[in-house]
Amino acid sequence: EIVLTQSPATLSLSPGERATLSCRASQSVSSSLAWYQQKPGQPPRLLIYDASSRATGIPARFSGSGSGTDFTLTISSLEPEDFAVYYCQQRTNWPPLTFGGGTKVEIK
Amino acid sequence: QVQLQQWGAGLLKPSETLSLNCAVYGGSFSGYYWNWIRQPPGKGLEWIGEINDSGTTNYNPSLKSRVSISVETSKNQFSLKLSSVTAADAAVYYCVRLVVKRRYYYYYYMDVWGKGTSVTVSS
Repeated sequence: EIVLTQSPATLSLSPGERATLSCRASQSVSSSLAWYQQKPGQPPRLLIYDASSRATGIPARFSGSGSGTDFTLTISSLEPEDFAVYYCQQRTNWPPLTFGGGTKVEIK
Repeated sequence: QVQLQQWGAGLLKPSETLSLNCAVYGGSFSGYYWNWIRQPPGKGLEWIGEINDSGTTNYNPSLKSRVSISVETSKNQFSLKLSSVTAADAAVYYCVRLVVKRRYYYYYYMDVWGKGTSVTVSS
């Protein structure tokens, strides 16, 4: 089973600041990694797939990078609606498909 | 626009079987994997399993002995059954569409999610 480790667990930032979220895989997943955003009471929403491709309708301030075992989700300038929990996900070596434990981006 | 509509019993007693259904509207049923994901209160996401339109299934090894996912392609529906539930199975359950694409490697992403069904297990 591939374990995805997200860090930090919580990121306290102010609107307008840059957010950098990390996802590390226990073994290579090539570039096959996706990122999701989840707000309270809502299902997750796809942000990034294939490590760096933005999903339909996702603002350009969201970007993804990385390959192999180390991946990064960057929010260039936080908007009020970006404060949420973010998850990474892989299905390269499965079952099982796995998610990271999540990073909560909270208002400082 | 593809939508997933899910339904099923939200309150179960220990040892009962959880049963949820998910219907796909506004898009093709074939060519995708149809997944179930759950999220215990205040916790992260856990993959339960998946099925494609041919009926090929894959399950999380941690739940495999209790899980069954089936498909009814004529109705564009798929279903989840989880037997012998305990309090540890209390969660919000989501049905989800998984896309599979290929470059020189395969990549996967979940682009359409149901709204979720909250399941409580209590005697």
